[in-house]
Amino acid sequence: AQSVTQPDIHITVSEGASLELRCNYSYGATPYLFWYVQSPGQGLQLLLKYFSGDTLVQGIKGFEAEFKRSQSSFNLRKPSVHWSDAAEYFCAVGARGYSTLTFGKGTMLLVSP
Amino acid sequence: DTAVSQTPKYLVTQMGNDKSIKCEQNLGHDTMYWYKQDSKKFLKIMFSYNNKELIINETVPNRFSPKSPDKAHLNLHINSLELGDSAVYFCASSQVSGGVGNEQFFGPGTRLTVL
Repeated sequence: AQSVTQPDIHITVSEGASLELRCNYSYGATPYLFWYVQSPGQGLQLLLKYFSGDTLVQGIKGFEAEFKRSQSSFNLRKPSVHWSDAAEYFCAVGARGYSTLTFGKGTMLLVSP
Repeated sequence: DTAVSQTPKYLVTQMGNDKSIKCEQNLGHDTMYWYKQDSKKFLKIMFSYNNKELIINETVPNRFSPKSPDKAHLNLHINSLELGDSAVYFCASSQVSGGVGNEQFFGPGTRLTVL
């Protein structure tokens, strides 16, 4: 069965500092990987996705993620965090075709002044 | 021009009542989903419909009955509401047939509170 682990429940980062959110997955086949962001009281917005090809993917709002098959990881990074990035971040794994997404439990990002 | 919309946004009701949540997508996608987000923010799939056909039905009480009148709509009806049904319910859609990777687009969510 597929699973996603986000080991950090909360992370606090100073505004302007760099960010890395960790995500590890377990999946039997080639995974399709996603990062979503949820602001308070809002729905989920897709930040970026990895299907194949270049293992470093760029997303919206200056985010990027790197797929490392050997480590079963898909960590999210941003070089300089803005206060508006404070939100809940979810990593998810899926597959092509009739497949649902399996989500991690989320990481809450807090941004300090 | 909202891509995936849900109504209502908030729903407060008494135990034992029956309620429905509606979802519509204008993306032309062929697959729609219902997810439940519990109080700890954990997101779990409930149902998936492809071209109005039920594809995935996770372990959900049969008090929950999805209905897809057409490809653009997936409604969720809940009978005999219980306290444990309180959660945020998200609708999502994706293009599976001919699509690249099942990227799912989410609605804004419906916060259900059962008193």
